[in-house]
Amino acid sequence: GENVEQHPSTLSVQEGDSAVIKCTYSDSASNYFPWYKQELGKGPQLIIDIRSNVGEKKDQRIAVTLNKTAKHFSLHITETQPEDSAVYFCAASTGANSKLTFGKGITLSVRP
Amino acid sequence: GAGVSQSPSNKVTEKGKDVELRCDPISGHTALYWYRQRLGQGLEFLIYFQGNSAPDKSGLPSDRFSAERTGESVSTLTIQRTQQEDSAVYLCASSLMQGRQPQHFGDGTRLSIL
Repeated sequence: GENVEQHPSTLSVQEGDSAVIKCTYSDSASNYFPWYKQELGKGPQLIIDIRSNVGEKKDQRIAVTLNKTAKHFSLHITETQPEDSAVYFCAASTGANSKLTFGKGITLSVRP
Repeated sequence: GAGVSQSPSNKVTEKGKDVELRCDPISGHTALYWYRQRLGQGLEFLIYFQGNSAPDKSGLPSDRFSAERTGESVSTLTIQRTQQEDSAVYLCASSLMQGRQPQHFGDGTRLSIL
């Protein structure tokens, strides 16, 4: 089955700097890659997603890039703010039944 | 409500007891998913429903776990004879239909087994 790995496990950046979080996946049939943000005591909230027919997608300060050949995708957050501090999860799905396979998450801390 | 609703938000029970967790998906969403999140870990898939049928139960950890869905709406996840290793947050998500993303999550039920 699919295996999603996420690195690093923690990341600390200065407010205003950029943050990049990388994930790798194992199943070449995966074609949908969402990123979720989870705050303490809350469920995961979708922040951006990308499908395999697209190489990059942007939404304001957030972007996701996908390299199908290397089987990795990355989340880019520019101009980080303290409210960006949270746990971020990447996931992958083949779409066949839509179940998501998640990475273990990264704790992002933005220092004021 | 507009989002996925789960109840109870917290549940503490003694080892060996049965528990039922409830999920109300977004209105009109025909696909419903259950995941488990252990402390400090990512989400593990348990089961999903398309309508009232469960085509994939492959993530259920043991036969103590079962789930059902009625009226293409509410779903309950039942854990029988709970064990301490069942302690986790149980998250429910829904999507418009099978094969259609994204999945929208509720805030989960935090289950603690004493």
